[in-house]
Amino acid sequence: EPEVTQTPSHQVTQMGQEVILRCVPISNHLYFYWYRQILGQKVEFLVSFYNNEISEKSEIFDDQFSVERPDGSNFTLKIRSTKLEDSAMYFCASSPGPGTSSYNSPLHFGNGTRLTVT
Amino acid sequence: LAKTTQPISMDSYEGQEVNITCSHNNIATNDYITWYQQFPSQGPRFIIQGYKTKVTNEVASLFIPADRKSSTLSLPRVSLSDTAVYYCLVGVHSSASKIIFGSGTRLSIRP
Repeated sequence: EPEVTQTPSHQVTQMGQEVILRCVPISNHLYFYWYRQILGQKVEFLVSFYNNEISEKSEIFDDQFSVERPDGSNFTLKIRSTKLEDSAMYFCASSPGPGTSSYNSPLHFGNGTRLTVT
Repeated sequence: LAKTTQPISMDSYEGQEVNITCSHNNIATNDYITWYQQFPSQGPRFIIQGYKTKVTNEVASLFIPADRKSSTLSLPRVSLSDTAVYYCLVGVHSSASKIIFGSGTRLSIRP
């Protein structure tokens, strides 16, 4: 079964540094998402992306965050200047786009990148 | 998306049937009900989705009454490996929309 893959599985960085989290969504999917989960807390929506632009974003997704789909396969999340409170699991997800047989397709998640900011 | 309410936690024993109920009083006509499961240090995993009545797959059953204001996820004969957080989401995933997870139900299975 195809899956969403994320790299690296664990990233340690110093406060103020830039990090890029990488995701390879399922190949025929067109909707892409980033979520984060601080340890012990719920899964929080960050951003959704379709047709090379952001569709929705949360209040967490401020100017320090950006997303990009640089080629036909990767979907990245960049944090420009990391803060201690950015330490969390970051999950990428994808789902099929319009024109699929399933109008309400669920999200497929990767296993996440654990980001530790020191 | 419609707001959902679930129990914060539940406990059960191996071999039992577990039913987790989710309330969604403001569900809209086009909304679907989707359940996800999350194990520690893993991403959420789709379990089951339904619109009305009953849906069953190899993992679970989903019961939705006629008014659709609630739904019940039923896990038959649970095992220790079913210990996880279960999330109920209500809405339409037809676009790259803001799909929000609630706090979920933390299910603990004992031997």
